[in-house]
Amino acid sequence: DAKTTQPTSMDCAEGRAANLPCNHSTISGNEYVYWYRQIHSQGPQYIIHGLKNNETNEMASLIITEDRKSSTLILPHATLRDTAVYYCIVLPSGSARQLTFGSGTQLTVLP
Amino acid sequence: DTGVSQDPRHKITKRGQNVTFRCDPISEHNRLYWYRQTLGQGPEFLTYFQNEAQLEKSRLLSDRFSAERPKGSFSTLEIQRTEQGDSAMYLCASSGERTITDTQYFGPGTRLTVL
Repeated sequence: DAKTTQPTSMDCAEGRAANLPCNHSTISGNEYVYWYRQIHSQGPQYIIHGLKNNETNEMASLIITEDRKSSTLILPHATLRDTAVYYCIVLPSGSARQLTFGSGTQLTVLP
Repeated sequence: DTGVSQDPRHKITKRGQNVTFRCDPISEHNRLYWYRQTLGQGPEFLTYFQNEAQLEKSRLLSDRFSAERPKGSFSTLEIQRTEQGDSAMYLCASSGERTITDTQYFGPGTRLTVL
């Protein structure tokens, strides 16, 4: 599976957009980009995933570059409850696969 | 609430004791995963079931660890002769969407402390 690189930490002001980058330069054609987050002492929470088109759901938007070597997760109006560790994971489509979590990005939303 | 439940949420035990955790996946999901997370690290894969069959095990799953999913529904993870190094959060996830992707949904975890 492709390796991902994320910044260790980021801050964001409450109410502003949080843009979390992820590099996955070795991504293969059949690999999806998944985002999960983990609020302190809770289980990881699925946010969104995509292959090559931009995706949006009620939680966030995912922007994938045309060459698919990087992506950005956008939380449009960050709240204090969005403070969490955000994990970017690359995973092939098809049969079930284990998730390989890196260190993630600690996002702190500031009041 | 993802629909995946785990019990207990917290367990404190003494070194050398056996412990068992339970995971109830989302009812229609046929795949179930166990992960372990130590402080400051991301979750690490332990094992995976499709229905009742255990299809994959990590090298992290030593012979003191055993997992079962007897009827393809709930699963149990047992740790025998616990050691202080077993202290961690044990996470369960389930999946089973009939789509090209297979999103895993996690439970709240069981936090184990071995004294």
